[in-house]
Amino acid sequence: KAGVTQTPRYLIKTRGQQVTLSCSPISGHRSVSWYQQTPGQGLQFLFEYFSETQRNKGNFPGRFSGRQFSNSRSEMNVSTLELGDSALYLCASSLTGDAEAFFGQGTRLTVV
Amino acid sequence: QKEVEQDPGPLSVPEGAIVSLNCTYSNSAFQYFMWYRQYSRKGPELLMYTYSSGNKEDGRFTAQVDKSSKYISLFIRDSQPSDSATYLCAMSAVILQGAQKLVFGQGTRLTINP
Repeated sequence: KAGVTQTPRYLIKTRGQQVTLSCSPISGHRSVSWYQQTPGQGLQFLFEYFSETQRNKGNFPGRFSGRQFSNSRSEMNVSTLELGDSALYLCASSLTGDAEAFFGQGTRLTVV
Repeated sequence: QKEVEQDPGPLSVPEGAIVSLNCTYSNSAFQYFMWYRQYSRKGPELLMYTYSSGNKEDGRFTAQVDKSSKYISLFIRDSQPSDSATYLCAMSAVILQGAQKLVFGQGTRLTINP
């Protein structure tokens, strides 16, 4: 059974640009959550999608947005990138949004 | 004060030792408790998943939850060098419509020395 797949694995962007990250959940999982991981703040919740609807959102500015498609795949977008957005962005999938969540390998974003 | 507190370590023990990792929390609404293992440059891997108080064992790993003390532990028996990683505790409560948000500790960096 394939796990959670995130693409790309690495990205380097310039301040002010925007970026889109992709996540394919485990087959049959309908909930996708996104997290930001930094050395200083650890893992922080961004948002969660279920059946193409955002059900919950963390304390991040509106520059961070996402969406989910009918096949449960999800994308996360960050606009007007700042140096502080450099982080490992992790996607987690679960059957219905329950706590038993499985993470992908992450996308390491570097903003220069 | 953070909702979940975890000693970041680092923790270094000899091979074969019993390792004890702990987290405390302040939100009494947390009902689900997880431990993840994260190797360098990898995503977190779910190790243990427990609901409410009690113990759960899986091979060399034992998770304990004491909701009255708001304290959870992970024990690793017969530790191996391959157990060297960062261990993250995570907790959640049902928010609405079944959705849950994981709240993580800072992670403890563990090294098992051969």
